[in-house]
Amino acid sequence: SQQGEEDPQALSIQEGENATMNCSYKTSINNLQWYRQNSGRGLVHLILIRSNEREKHSGRLRVTLDTSKKSSSLLITASRAADTASYFCATDGAAGNKLTFGGGTRVLVKP
Amino acid sequence: DTGVSQDPRHKITKRGQNVTFRCDPISEHNRLYWYRQTLGQGPEFLTYFQNEAQLEKSRLLSDRFSAERPKGSFSTLEIQRTEQGDSAMYLCASRFTSGNEQFFGPGTRLTVL
Repeated sequence: SQQGEEDPQALSIQEGENATMNCSYKTSINNLQWYRQNSGRGLVHLILIRSNEREKHSGRLRVTLDTSKKSSSLLITASRAADTASYFCATDGAAGNKLTFGGGTRVLVKP
Repeated sequence: DTGVSQDPRHKITKRGQNVTFRCDPISEHNRLYWYRQTLGQGPEFLTYFQNEAQLEKSRLLSDRFSAERPKGSFSTLEIQRTEQGDSAMYLCASRFTSGNEQFFGPGTRLTVL
């Protein structure tokens, strides 16, 4: 079963705009990770934030984590057409480090 | 290319047939995971190996499913007597035990007619 939900399920923006998506989860975690998936392909790891961290940056990506609310957000700044993909949050709850994924946000960046 | 390969990339089969998928992880990685992803959903955990030992299986892994990692390197996932509900993308991932990031392969897309 899915760990939580992502919001929105779909997002359409113009190139150059920022894209924000949110993820909620249900149980305690070691870390939370964001992955990108282009249509019909495998997942690419974007960024990891540990449970004791509140914010992390990587290039045009900014991730926040609020463990009290069991939620995270991913911000993509200055979006490009190549950012068009599905984005998934995944929690690592330690036991075996298996990942539990949300349902994903499908992002369309229009040129 | 993450370094994890899966074969075949696509498989079309008739209901009731058996299918087998292969995953070659990054060679130094001792943990290997299988996930299943249906259309429009996030991946769901199926099972994982620490070297050759299968340490956990999800409830999703019915008796028709079996996975092996005989020498602690590549892994196979077999589905016996396939059903239409088995149609999905089957993803493999690997990582170091002490690492954080899982590296995913491109997946095998199964279609059961």
